[in-house]
Amino acid sequence: SAVISQKPSRDICQRGTSLTIQCQVDSQVTMMFWYRQQPGQSLTLIATANQGSEATYESGFVIDKFPISRPNLTFSTLTVSNMSPEDSSIYLCSVSSSRNYNEQFFGPGTRLTVL
Amino acid sequence: EDQVTQSPEALRLQEGESSSLNCSYTVSGLRGLFWYRQDPGKGPEFLFTLYSAGEEKEKERLKATLTKKESFLHITAPKPEDSATYLCAVQFAGGTSYGKLTFGQGTILTVHP
Repeated sequence: SAVISQKPSRDICQRGTSLTIQCQVDSQVTMMFWYRQQPGQSLTLIATANQGSEATYESGFVIDKFPISRPNLTFSTLTVSNMSPEDSSIYLCSVSSSRNYNEQFFGPGTRLTVL
Repeated sequence: EDQVTQSPEALRLQEGESSSLNCSYTVSGLRGLFWYRQDPGKGPEFLFTLYSAGEEKEKERLKATLTKKESFLHITAPKPEDSATYLCAVQFAGGTSYGKLTFGQGTILTVHP
């Protein structure tokens, strides 16, 4: 399976600021996704990162709050904008398997704390 | 609404004591059901994919099975290193979000030596 890395691994940010999280894959992948895991909760899909076009957002998530870029088939960024303490979560990127598009593999996650 | 429910929320076992975790789902059409393992501070690790009722997959001490409404993850003779949170996720056919995984809340498994 693809090797997925995320930067930063963790960060502590002040209310009102923004943080950009990077996701890098060691091979080209068709689909990339961004998930959020709030404290004590399971994973929720934020959006699908589309290469060369705007991301597809799930209900409850908007581009102004979570802008996403995907300039190529191995890299994507998620920005958490104008942060509040409610944005404290683990943010994870995932990629579809080249062998089976239905299977997804996850990065190590970025743990964000907003004060 | 498509839902995924896992039970129990937490399970404590003695080493060698076999048991099962449950994942029930209500979806209009199932594209696939996935099991993941998540260790503290890490991303989910892919375990199995199941597509149709009656299907079974095995990996070491783990076996996943699927019926029309639920899946079981059987753990045979567990070891302390099997301690983790086990997540079930469903991908449903149709809808606008191709590839979207809907996760259950997870089962926290603790295996005592």
